[in-house]
Amino acid sequence: QQQVKQSPQSLIVQKGGISIINCAYENTAFDYFPWYQQFPGKGPALLIAIRPDVSEKKEGRFTISFNKSAKQFSLHIMDSQPGDSATYFCAASKGNTGGFKTIFGAGTRLFVKA
Amino acid sequence: GAVVSQHPSWVICKSGTSVKIECRSLDFQATTMFWYRQFPKQSLMLMATSNEGSKATYEQGVEKDKFLINHASLTLSTLTVTSAHPEDSSFYICSARLPSRNEQFFGPGTRLTVL
Repeated sequence: QQQVKQSPQSLIVQKGGISIINCAYENTAFDYFPWYQQFPGKGPALLIAIRPDVSEKKEGRFTISFNKSAKQFSLHIMDSQPGDSATYFCAASKGNTGGFKTIFGAGTRLFVKA
Repeated sequence: GAVVSQHPSWVICKSGTSVKIECRSLDFQATTMFWYRQFPKQSLMLMATSNEGSKATYEQGVEKDKFLINHASLTLSTLTVTSAHPEDSSFYICSARLPSRNEQFFGPGTRLTVL
């Protein structure tokens, strides 16, 4: 019930294309859904996040779509660039009740071809 | 804002020695910090949750006597890997949570290699 399932494991996209990464969760107590970007040898960096009372959030080329009833959320990277090549992790967390904890997906390695 | 630093960025040590890794929140006070371990091409594995002024909460399967965590101030948490062995070689990442919010900000990580 604590799992966050992420797909695909790896993704190759042409420059200018749309990258789509999907995640699904089980625990309805989660109330915060961030996406992190990680480059090799670096720590994850918060990219964008959404709360379950919103169905979509857009920041620049990055958009999160959230489907509360299906317990799914996805990251869309528009106009993908070679510099976007990195590993992306979705995550789900719940607040103070029962302790704060973040559960991470397995990660998606994105490669954007020039 | 919300910058988290780690020191050292990499360390090589001999088997049997202890290594201390520091995690600092530079521009905010973090009542809660987290320590993760990441193997190559894998996700982050939470090791423990560190609360300022109290004992850390360890995840199942993490040896508390081997991975000592101290959170003595609102801006500093340390992880000490005691009697390190080659299988402890990994990428260790800390994060700090903004008070009363869900956002976590991660440090740059520490690459530990035990010979």
